[in-house]
Amino acid sequence: DTEVTQTPKHLVMGMTNKKSLKCEQHMGHRAMYWYKQKAKKPPELMFVYSYEKLSINESVPSRFSPECPNSSLLNLHLHALQPEDSALYLCASSQGVRAAIYFGEGSWLTVV
Amino acid sequence: AQRVTQPEKLLSVFKGAPVELKCNYSYSGSPELFWYVQYSRQRLQLLLRHISRESIKGFTADLNKGETSFHLKKPFAQEEDSAMYYCALNPTGGFKTIFGAGTRLFVKA
Repeated sequence: DTEVTQTPKHLVMGMTNKKSLKCEQHMGHRAMYWYKQKAKKPPELMFVYSYEKLSINESVPSRFSPECPNSSLLNLHLHALQPEDSALYLCASSQGVRAAIYFGEGSWLTVV
Repeated sequence: AQRVTQPEKLLSVFKGAPVELKCNYSYSGSPELFWYVQYSRQRLQLLLRHISRESIKGFTADLNKGETSFHLKKPFAQEEDSAMYYCALNPTGGFKTIFGAGTRLFVKA
């Protein structure tokens, strides 16, 4: 299995809702990432987990809460989002530092 | 400052013509450079990395440390090459990949 899988593919949520995005990889990678991508823009790093520990938080608002239950799974918990948070959220993984990154197809999030 | 510059937002070429997507970087250390591609309705995926020095789908990229460039080239463009291309830099010892703004390649029939 050489893919990163993400669910759901599409999510519409209200500003008072709580939802979660899920990600799974079975490539044995020890680093997992959350990126946010707006239309026609490069991905922006949000969080990095290395060996299941949070390694990087790019000053992301607390309404986004990451979780890494084990080396294969990564979640992003969403609460009280704003309409400007609507974007494509990409999960990714890599073998380690300076390694190539493998992306999932993303979850399209719309906040209404 | 660490930076990746892709000067062209859009590049349009005819099928069969050579194509070069430019990438310049700013980094004082030893760079680890990549090209990623995003085809329409597909995931962002690795195209090639400079350390492997391989050709993928007919594309090559050579690291020029003197000019701090990592341009992507293909001698004969195909319609299926139409996509968004991102040049990316991995600094030493970190997980934070720095992406360029991207170049949209459009190959006309």
